[in-house]
Amino acid sequence: GQNIDQPTEMTATEGAIVQINCTYQTSGFNGLFWYQQHAGEAPTFLSYNVLDGLEEKGRFSSFLSRSKGYSYLLLKELQMKDSASYLCAGATGGGNKLTFGTGTQLKVEL
Amino acid sequence: GAGVSQSPSNKVTEKGKDVELRCDPISGHTALYWYRQRLGQGLEFLIYFQGNSAPDKSGLPSDRFSAERTGESVSTLTIQRTQQEDSAVYLCASREARPTDTQYFGPGTRLTVL
Repeated sequence: GQNIDQPTEMTATEGAIVQINCTYQTSGFNGLFWYQQHAGEAPTFLSYNVLDGLEEKGRFSSFLSRSKGYSYLLLKELQMKDSASYLCAGATGGGNKLTFGTGTQLKVEL
Repeated sequence: GAGVSQSPSNKVTEKGKDVELRCDPISGHTALYWYRQRLGQGLEFLIYFQGNSAPDKSGLPSDRFSAERTGESVSTLTIQRTQQEDSAVYLCASREARPTDTQYFGPGTRLTVL
């Protein structure tokens, strides 16, 4: 089966850097997605890692190690608007269906 | 362009009633997914459509749940004889042809079963 684990909550300071970790055990793993979800809104796509290594996209970077079943999302220069839930999801199967963790609620403080 | 849309945005129903939830994917997206998000929990996969066929229905929790897709466009998720545990936000996502393409989510339908 599939199992995605990530911390429930994190708090960080505006302007700082925060790393949100995600570990997974899954068969037929195709890659790993990160989504951002503000309260009451739809998840919005942040990144997709298929190969090992770091993918950088502006203030957001995502890392994947397939051998370790581990990923992280790195957010730099935190802004108050980054306060949201960050969802880690493993893609499996021919259709790339997503198995989600429970999400990490990030609170950015002054 | 227009994103994924879902209707209704909110639905309150009584236990035992049937409900239909609608999803309009992004035009040209061949794949469509339904997920469910219960309060305080992660999103759960329900069903996946490729075109009008559903090669993966493994996430449907019981035979009270069914879904169809017509014209490689609109999809409806039907829940028969609703139960209180069906209360959740039901999210639809669509993507282009390649499995590695990004899944774009709609705003969801919040279902409350009294």
